[in-house]
Amino acid sequence: DQQVKQNSPSLSVQEGRISILNCDYTNSMFDYFLWYKKYPAEGPTFLISISSIKDKNEDGRFTVFLNKSAKHLSLHIVPSQPGDSAVYFCAARNNAGNMLTFGGGTRLMVKP
Amino acid sequence: EPEVTQTPSHQVTQMGQEVILRCVPISNHLYFYWYRQILGQKVEFLVSFYNNEISEKSEIFDDQFSVERPDGSNFTLKIRSTKLEDSAMYFCASSEGDRAYEQYFGPGTRLTVT
Repeated sequence: DQQVKQNSPSLSVQEGRISILNCDYTNSMFDYFLWYKKYPAEGPTFLISISSIKDKNEDGRFTVFLNKSAKHLSLHIVPSQPGDSAVYFCAARNNAGNMLTFGGGTRLMVKP
Repeated sequence: EPEVTQTPSHQVTQMGQEVILRCVPISNHLYFYWYRQILGQKVEFLVSFYNNEISEKSEIFDDQFSVERPDGSNFTLKIRSTKLEDSAMYFCASSEGDRAYEQYFGPGTRLTVT
């Protein structure tokens, strides 16, 4: 099942710089997209969501961009902090229900 | 801040045994979910539950699985006869009625089937 794909397994960024995490999807029936952060031995923590009718949503240091024609979304974290080091998952909801389909995750490492 | 809680944090069981994983969703949430993550794989949807019945389930959620909301606070996942391939992290999640897509996850139960 490759409906949601995160092609970069890892990303390393310097503290204070921008982190850009990418996600691609194939299913046109997705109506909401979400980003989650996960630390080891914890559950996914909800960060930010975006409706498929929007192209940008911002919450503090986190901004999600959606390019519907390219079926691509990205999460920008500015400025990056060492505490942001975690695995980030992109997820999408099919408009037929509430099931979330997850990508494989990207491990972000923010170096002091 | 309200959070989803899960017990136990780790469960070890023998193949063929029944296990019950427990969750307490966020109190004003209406939708409840189970997901699992096998080591090294993606987080996968199992089932959603709303208004005391299953509203969606995946192909993984076969007759060996069942869910129940036995009282006003708990939400359980039962696996009747565990198999080795059921070893995974099991996450419970819940969401409000208006923003059902924003699902809040518990810390997970690590199930090890030997």
